[in-house]
Amino acid sequence: DGGITQSPKYLFRKEGQNVTLSCEQNLNHDAMYWYRQDPGQGLRLIYYSQIVNDFQKGDIAEGYSVSREKKESFPLTVTSAQKNPTAFYLCASSILGLAGDNDQETQYFGPGTRLLVL
Amino acid sequence: AQKVTQAQTEISVVEKEDVTLDCVYETRDTTYYLFWYKQPPSGELVFLIRRNSFDEQNEISGRYSWNFQKSTSSFNFTITASQVVDSAVYFCALQGGSEKLVFGKGTKLTVNP
Repeated sequence: DGGITQSPKYLFRKEGQNVTLSCEQNLNHDAMYWYRQDPGQGLRLIYYSQIVNDFQKGDIAEGYSVSREKKESFPLTVTSAQKNPTAFYLCASSILGLAGDNDQETQYFGPGTRLLVL
Repeated sequence: AQKVTQAQTEISVVEKEDVTLDCVYETRDTTYYLFWYKQPPSGELVFLIRRNSFDEQNEISGRYSWNFQKSTSSFNFTITASQVVDSAVYFCALQGGSEKLVFGKGTKLTVNP
């Protein structure tokens, strides 16, 4: 089945620890995105990548880092610099990136990872 | 700047009632796209519909319908004969030109049996 997978479903972070959230897609989509969702809030963009080996900061990139070494994978690292990491993290992908003007820009989402701080 | 407002934080209805979720947006772009996503308790966002700014034709898909009015900058979503499985948080989102997707804060819909 084609889709987007995120792992783990739940992740616990200790003080000062870096943790990495996995996002994989087998849809052959060029673009991938990471969003953060806090209770009662909409989604906020952390980072996005429109092509392999290239990525851009979103609205709340501080304390996070990403890599895009393969088309199907876009891992997100929550660093110790992120002082309030507790949130629900959603990964998404689209056929094309933000420069498109048709249905191929529609973003499809994975099941999410809930990050909690111990 | 782009903005999406979903003024209804929570709505509670009884099964089989019709319910309308409001969405008002702001953008200076002449070309833009509007979306609705559903987030059930499992957490995954499910894409429901995408509409471009040049197509104001209303759309119906089964029990779902969407009313897009540029004159009032609104893109409202109606569920007819609601069911318990419709219980979820619904997000309206806006994408202008080559800009990023901007989400509203969501409306939590609870359908009671």
